[in-house]
Amino acid sequence: GQNIDQPTEMTATEGAIVQINCTYQTSGFNGLFWYQQHAGEAPTFLSYNVLDGLEEKGRFSSFLSRSKGYSYLLLKELQMKDSASYLCAVMDSNYQLIWGAGTKLIIKP
Amino acid sequence: IAGITQAPTSQILAAGRRMTLRCTQDMRHNAMYWYRQDLGLGLRLIHYSNTAGTTGKGEVPDGYSVSRANTDDFPLTLASAVPSQTSVYFCASSPGANTEAFFGQGTRLTVV
Repeated sequence: GQNIDQPTEMTATEGAIVQINCTYQTSGFNGLFWYQQHAGEAPTFLSYNVLDGLEEKGRFSSFLSRSKGYSYLLLKELQMKDSASYLCAVMDSNYQLIWGAGTKLIIKP
Repeated sequence: IAGITQAPTSQILAAGRRMTLRCTQDMRHNAMYWYRQDLGLGLRLIHYSNTAGTTGKGEVPDGYSVSRANTDDFPLTLASAVPSQTSVYFCASSPGANTEAFFGQGTRLTVV
């Protein structure tokens, strides 16, 4: 079966750095997406990785290792507004997105 | 403002009733999707459409139907609602198969 695993909840301090991990087992791979979802709102796109390595976009970076079935989202200089759920999703061989359950990130002052 | 719009934003529905959730996008995206999101679970694909005139079944299609008569609209119909269909429903669209998806604001549906 297809499976995406990510921690249920993480806590971090304002101004710090946090890494949210995602491991996956899917039938085929056509890219990995990270989305941010604030409570009661729609998911919004953060990043897309299809090749191994690190993609940096401002305070957010995303890493992919296809051989290990592993990705992480790195958030730097955390702000209170970063409190949200972070969703990892993998596009399989049929170009369908398989979603993880999401990691709820709590930022404390 | 360009984007994707869902209606209604919330609804309480009696079991056994028929209900259509509306979704409209003005970005001329080819692909559209319906997901449900339940606590503790990831988004699950109900139905999708890669282009106007075609639809496909996702992971959890039973009890739901869709149509894609044109590029902009992708309604989701519950033929006879059951309590297990209580969920938050998200419509999404994307320009192509492996591109970023844009989500509507969601419809919170409660079946009683």
